[in-house]
Amino acid sequence: KAGVTQTPRYLIKTRGQQVTLSCSPISGHRSVSWYQQTPGQGLQFLFEYFSETQRNKGNFPGRFSGRQFSNSRSEMNVSTLELGDSALYLCASSPTSSSSYNEQFFGPGTRLTVL
Amino acid sequence: AQSVTQLGSHVSVSEGALVLLRCNYSSSVPPYLFWYVQYPNQGLQLLLKYTTGATLVKGINGFEAEFKKSETSFHLTKPSAHMSDAAEYFCAVSPANSGYALNFGKGTSLLVTP
Repeated sequence: KAGVTQTPRYLIKTRGQQVTLSCSPISGHRSVSWYQQTPGQGLQFLFEYFSETQRNKGNFPGRFSGRQFSNSRSEMNVSTLELGDSALYLCASSPTSSSSYNEQFFGPGTRLTVL
Repeated sequence: AQSVTQLGSHVSVSEGALVLLRCNYSSSVPPYLFWYVQYPNQGLQLLLKYTTGATLVKGINGFEAEFKKSETSFHLTKPSAHMSDAAEYFCAVSPANSGYALNFGKGTSLLVTP
């Protein structure tokens, strides 16, 4: 089985622009979560989608949004980029269909640099 | 809110020596606990997890961790370090039945010297 794929792997944007990152989960996985990783704040949970619905949300401003499609692929969008949004954005998928924990499989991440 | 503290942002061990990476959590209810490893320019890989049952958990690559409720700890150990173990290690906690929102520690960078 192919792993979690994220595109693009690297991205450079300027302040004020918006960006869309894509995540394709492992085939059959219905839950997709997004995390932001920075040297200063570490790994922080952004949101989680299951069956096209946002099920959990972290403490991020409204500039960060996401969605999930019927094929479980997910996108996250960041509008009005700030320098502090420079980070590695990680996507993780999980096969569970219940609320109990199941293993999350992480993709390689998208490295976003905001200039 | 649940949180995780990893003691020591950098740990250095000699090849063949014991690896001990410390993790303490704060939680009002028994959580789910995890250790992940991250190699340079890669995503996270699950080493092991504790949800319920046996408190000594064995994972991949010879790692294991013990859940100690009285000490609110979940330390990661490996009897003999290999050069290939050099990486960033993250402890994470998730409230039971919270879905998949993981709270991660700041990470510990493990250096293995010859």
